[in-house]
Amino acid sequence: AQSVTQLDSHVSVSEGTPVLLRCNYSSSYSPSLFWYVQHPNKGLQLLLKYTSAATLVKGINGFEAEFKKSETSFHLTKPSAHMSDAAEYFCVVSDSRDDKIIFGKGTRLHILP
Amino acid sequence: DSGVTQTPKHLITATGQRVTLRCSPRSGDLSVYWYQQSLDQGLQFLIHYYNGEERAKGNILERFSAQQFPDLHSELNLSSLELGDSALYFCASSVVSSPMADTQYFGPGTRLTVL
Repeated sequence: AQSVTQLDSHVSVSEGTPVLLRCNYSSSYSPSLFWYVQHPNKGLQLLLKYTSAATLVKGINGFEAEFKKSETSFHLTKPSAHMSDAAEYFCVVSDSRDDKIIFGKGTRLHILP
Repeated sequence: DSGVTQTPKHLITATGQRVTLRCSPRSGDLSVYWYQQSLDQGLQFLIHYYNGEERAKGNILERFSAQQFPDLHSELNLSSLELGDSALYFCASSVVSSPMADTQYFGPGTRLTVL
């Protein structure tokens, strides 16, 4: 069965410093992995996705993630945090076997001035 | 604005009642997905329709049902409502049938409160 674990429920960083949001997954088949962002009182927006092409995936707003099969990880990074990055981030896994979609519990990112 | 619309924005009802949530996908999108977001359960995938046919089911309760109509809009029906059904319900749409292959665009959600 698929599963996804976001290792931190809250992360706080200062503006201008790097961001690291951690995600580990479990999947019996070749997974697709996604990161979504949800700003307060808004719907979700796709940041980036991995679908078995390049392992380093670049997304919107300067975010990127690296698929590491040996570590079953798909951590989200950004070199320099901006105040507008404050939001909740969800790591998501889906595989070709049943097209079900599993969300992590989310990581709330706080940006300190 | 994602182009996905959901109505109503807010819904307050009582236990035991039945409600219908509506979703209109982006123009040209054939897939509609339904999700539930609650404090207890987080975000959960409920069900996926593609061009009128059910494609995948997630953690959808038997009291809940959905359908996608010929004009591609979708409705999520929730019956015998319980307090625990209070949540934000999102729909999302995409062009193709596989959630792996395409970007999903999310609507603003319907907030359901069961009293």
